[in-house]
Amino acid sequence: QKEVEQDPGPLSVPEGAIVSLNCTYSNSAFQYFMWYRQYSRKGPELLMYTYSSGNKEDGRFTAQVDKSSKYISLFIRDSQPSDSATYLCAMTPRNQFYFGTGTSLTVIP
Amino acid sequence: DTAVSQTPKYLVTQMGNDKSIKCEQNLGHDTMYWYKQDSKKFLKIMFSYNNKELIINETVPNRFSPKSPDKAHLNLHINSLELGDSAVYFCASSPRRDPKGTQYFGPGTRLLVL
Repeated sequence: QKEVEQDPGPLSVPEGAIVSLNCTYSNSAFQYFMWYRQYSRKGPELLMYTYSSGNKEDGRFTAQVDKSSKYISLFIRDSQPSDSATYLCAMTPRNQFYFGTGTSLTVIP
Repeated sequence: DTAVSQTPKYLVTQMGNDKSIKCEQNLGHDTMYWYKQDSKKFLKIMFSYNNKELIINETVPNRFSPKSPDKAHLNLHINSLELGDSAVYFCASSPRRDPKGTQYFGPGTRLLVL
């Protein structure tokens, strides 16, 4: 079993839709949870970063962590064509770093 | 004023050759990483250096050898290239040794082994 599971998609939504991206994990030692966005032919860039269970909001993006279920989510409100990218979840205990496989998202104008 | 830069951006080579990829960061970070991203977009850490000291060395063939001449540079040398080495290799840096901090990625080096 992989440490981090993420549905690769692809996911295609109309502009303005609410997008939900999810990852599950198996290692209860994971403490820090991140979402990266990767545009085509570019390196990943950090979007959101959370430590504890609960929600964290930043503009149109909300990161949610449920440690009891080992489940994290990223919600994108009012999605825009510029949100079209691959979204990777990442998590870490100490000195290790694990990424999900990424979900490819296309927002259709 | 690129934060994390990699050279070359593209590398096409024959099986059996030896090649190097260079990475430089001008962010003043202490920790640098090499990742491999395969065709399915799976991003896997290979190595991590903190102040020129190797701190993460995942299960990677011995043909891959990182070298850090100083904390702003982390190069990756690959011996006897194989078809399966074809991937995008990303360098990244972060400001703290314990990777809880933000990682800044380079643009990637696309390696194709023929």
